[in-house]
Amino acid sequence: DSGVTQTPKHLITATGQRVTLRCSPRSGDLSVYWYQQSLDQGLQFLIQYYNGEERAKGNILERFSAQQFPDLHSELNLSSLELGDSALYFCASSVGPANTGELFFGEGSRLTVL
Amino acid sequence: LAKTTQPISMDSYEGQEVNITCSHNNIATNDYITWYQQFPSQGPRFIIQGYKTKVTNEVASLFIPADRKSSTLSLPRVSLSDTAVYYCLVGGPLTTSGTYKYIFGTGTRLKVLA
Repeated sequence: DSGVTQTPKHLITATGQRVTLRCSPRSGDLSVYWYQQSLDQGLQFLIQYYNGEERAKGNILERFSAQQFPDLHSELNLSSLELGDSALYFCASSVGPANTGELFFGEGSRLTVL
Repeated sequence: LAKTTQPISMDSYEGQEVNITCSHNNIATNDYITWYQQFPSQGPRFIIQGYKTKVTNEVASLFIPADRKSSTLSLPRVSLSDTAVYYCLVGGPLTTSGTYKYIFGTGTRLKVLA
């Protein structure tokens, strides 16, 4: 158990819909990272937050947005969903903003868009 | 960001030592090299991190030559449970504010055979 909690574990929805994925980082970790992993693909970095502020942006679509709340949990919002958005979405956390150490990953949220 | 190149897949037998090499020709001075392991439908798990020479922990060793343009993850005496995808990451603080993007490559799919 990494200490990172993601909900929901599974989500099935239709094209055009909007969903919200939630992540609670490890106790004490201030940074949260979001990744997307499509079937048999590598991990695509989406975005990073540190203590409530956006710190780094990767290949995140304009239809996607994220935020980190004062209690440090984070939410990833996916809107106008397309079939290609079906993927595993992972959240990870670390202690600092530029951590050269370890990222702790959650078990992921599996999104299926029909 | 330094791009990494790893073999797509490798096969090994139980009890053998496995060495996975990652090339990162344009690694920057302040970049660290980190390896992660990922099992199907699970989040990646940190294995080891190093900057130069050799690092060893209870599960693996990381060899980094003087020019740091490559690195080798060594897994001693692998077992069937080591079958997984192994990712090499290279990166470090990108700005004075410490923004650091953890960019995963395509990884190496290791299959351990009985």
